[in-house]
Amino acid sequence: QQQVKQSPQSLIVQKGGIPIINCAYENTAFDYFPWYQQFPGKGPALLIAIRPDVSEKKEGRFTISFNKSAKQFSLHIMDSQPGDSATYFCAARNNAGNMLTFGGGTRLMVKP
Amino acid sequence: EPEVTQTPSHQVTQMGQEVILRCVPISNHLYFYWYRQILGQKVEFLVSFYNNEISEKSEIFDDQFSVERPDGSNFTLKIRSTKLEDSAMYFCASSDGTGGTGELFFGEGSRLTVL
Repeated sequence: QQQVKQSPQSLIVQKGGIPIINCAYENTAFDYFPWYQQFPGKGPALLIAIRPDVSEKKEGRFTISFNKSAKQFSLHIMDSQPGDSATYFCAARNNAGNMLTFGGGTRLMVKP
Repeated sequence: EPEVTQTPSHQVTQMGQEVILRCVPISNHLYFYWYRQILGQKVEFLVSFYNNEISEKSEIFDDQFSVERPDGSNFTLKIRSTKLEDSAMYFCASSDGTGGTGELFFGEGSRLTVL
């Protein structure tokens, strides 16, 4: 029940495309859903996060869509650039603790 | 910009040896964490630490692991007797809040290779 399932494992898009990464969870106590971006050899860096009281959040080219009833959330990257090539992790944290549960990661490659 | 710093960046050790990984969290943060990432796999929670004690730990964090904040700035992860399967990237993180209020800032990681 603590799992966060992420898909796809890898994704290749052309520059300007809109990659979409999906995550699903079971634990209804999760109330904070961040996305992290990780470049090779670096630690995860927070990209954008959402709480379940909203259905969408946009920051620059990054948008999270959240479907509370389906217990799913997704990341959309508008006008993707080669510099967006990285591994993306969704995560979830419950309202009682500090622990982040990460999805399995999506390796994104944006071709020039 | 404040950042979490970790040392060493890479450590190679023999199976059975003790290893200490060090972290300097962001100075005004109160919550500290260790996560690990086995090569090519997801990031896994190990332990969280607040007010000089462990607040939460995962099943991975067994008796061979310990954490300590020996002074006002460092936060360490000790692995008492390393096993081959401990080979991973270990990330330290810190935040200024809990219960969904604090963003986690991660360090660049310490790569541990156990031979």
